[in-house]
Amino acid sequence: DAGVIQSPRHEVTEMGQEVTLRCKPISGHDYLFWYRQTMMRGLELLIYFNNNVPIDDSGMPEDRFSAKMPNASFSTLKIQPSEPRDSAVYFCASSFNYVDEQFFGPGTRLTVL
Amino acid sequence: GNSVTQMEGPVTLSEEAFLTINCTYTATGYPSLFWYVQYPGEGLQLLLKATKADDKGSNKGFEATYRKETTSFHLEKGSVQVSDSAVYFCALGSGAGSYQLTFGKGTKLSVIP
Repeated sequence: DAGVIQSPRHEVTEMGQEVTLRCKPISGHDYLFWYRQTMMRGLELLIYFNNNVPIDDSGMPEDRFSAKMPNASFSTLKIQPSEPRDSAVYFCASSFNYVDEQFFGPGTRLTVL
Repeated sequence: GNSVTQMEGPVTLSEEAFLTINCTYTATGYPSLFWYVQYPGEGLQLLLKATKADDKGSNKGFEATYRKETTSFHLEKGSVQVSDSAVYFCALGSGAGSYQLTFGKGTKLSVIP
């Protein structure tokens, strides 16, 4: 099993640019989670999906952030326009239904200049 | 709401020392409890878990016991190795159909030879 796959692993962009982060969950998993990790705030849940449907997006910091899951094997997190304070490591995680153990991807380190 | 409090780091130990990282939680119902580990540059990995009171989770020499009376899930290892240097996160599964995890802020462990 390849595990959760995220791309790119590193992204450097300039303020105001659009950024798209990608995630492929483990096959057969029903839940997909997007997290952000910073030194100041630790690990924050941004949004999660069940069977491709967004269930709770209360952690999305502002309207500049959006997430989609067009099918069971792909999700995106988009930031438009990006700001320096968005610099963080973004993790995607997935899990089976009825099991609360989550499997994390390697993360995308985003730097907004 | 649910919350997790874990001891602040960083923690620096000599090889073969005994490790304890404290974790307490606040939750309604009967949550599952987890310890995740994050090695440098990687995503979080499940280290161990316990799903009900008095359960002991164990893996790679690490142990933690689910103590409902003290709402605690302290992580212990009898003899740490340099390879155990990482950030350790205590987490609580809300269950009840939401499958969200609430994470502590993480404790950085450095083991020196």
